[in-house]
Amino acid sequence: ETGVTQTPRHLVMGMTNKKSLKCEQHLGHNAMYWYKQSAKKPLELMFVYSLEERVENNSVPSRFSPECPNSSHLFLHLHTLQPEDSALYLCTSSQGLGVPDGEQFFGPGTRLTVL
Amino acid sequence: KQEVTQIPAALSVPEGENLVLNCSFTDSAIYNLQWFRQDPGKGLTSLLLIQSSQREQTSGRLNASLDKSSGRSTLYIAASQPGDSATYLCAVRPRGSTLGRLYFGRGTQLTVWP
Repeated sequence: ETGVTQTPRHLVMGMTNKKSLKCEQHLGHNAMYWYKQSAKKPLELMFVYSLEERVENNSVPSRFSPECPNSSHLFLHLHTLQPEDSALYLCTSSQGLGVPDGEQFFGPGTRLTVL
Repeated sequence: KQEVTQIPAALSVPEGENLVLNCSFTDSAIYNLQWFRQDPGKGLTSLLLIQSSQREQTSGRLNASLDKSSGRSTLYIAASQPGDSATYLCAVRPRGSTLGRLYFGRGTQLTVWP
């Protein structure tokens, strides 16, 4: 256990569905991130939140919408996805952007399949 | 832009062998380098974190070294076991970025057979 949990662990959705991924960290960290891991590609950063404010949107399509209601919770809202969005979505947290040499802790991921 | 390369892409060895996994990165201006383990369909487990001022870190049978000037890191696994089978990823956190972003390699898929 890394102290970062993600739900659901697996999700299958149609292209017209709306769903949300949830991440929770129990480490007292101030920064949270979403990464995408597609087959045969390195992990890609999607979003960065620091103290509940989004500080980076790494050219992610608008069909992905993040939300950070407090420093312990991070959501990724999904709507009208495409089959190529099928991937493992990983949440991670770190102590804060003001601690640049801090370790990052990853959740177990949500395996998303878009039909 | 930082690029991270891992060699080999895949490795299959019998139990008991000592292994070396390689990671190289193009920009030596980093805060730290982290080695992760990923089991199939699972998230990432942090194995070792090496700060830029350090040369190596050890945890049990694992030893990671960092040569920042040449842009290289190695992960040494002693006396490999079937339970070590997984994908090993290295990631660097570059200086000059305030975002905490990690740059990952594509990983080395390790299989240790009994």
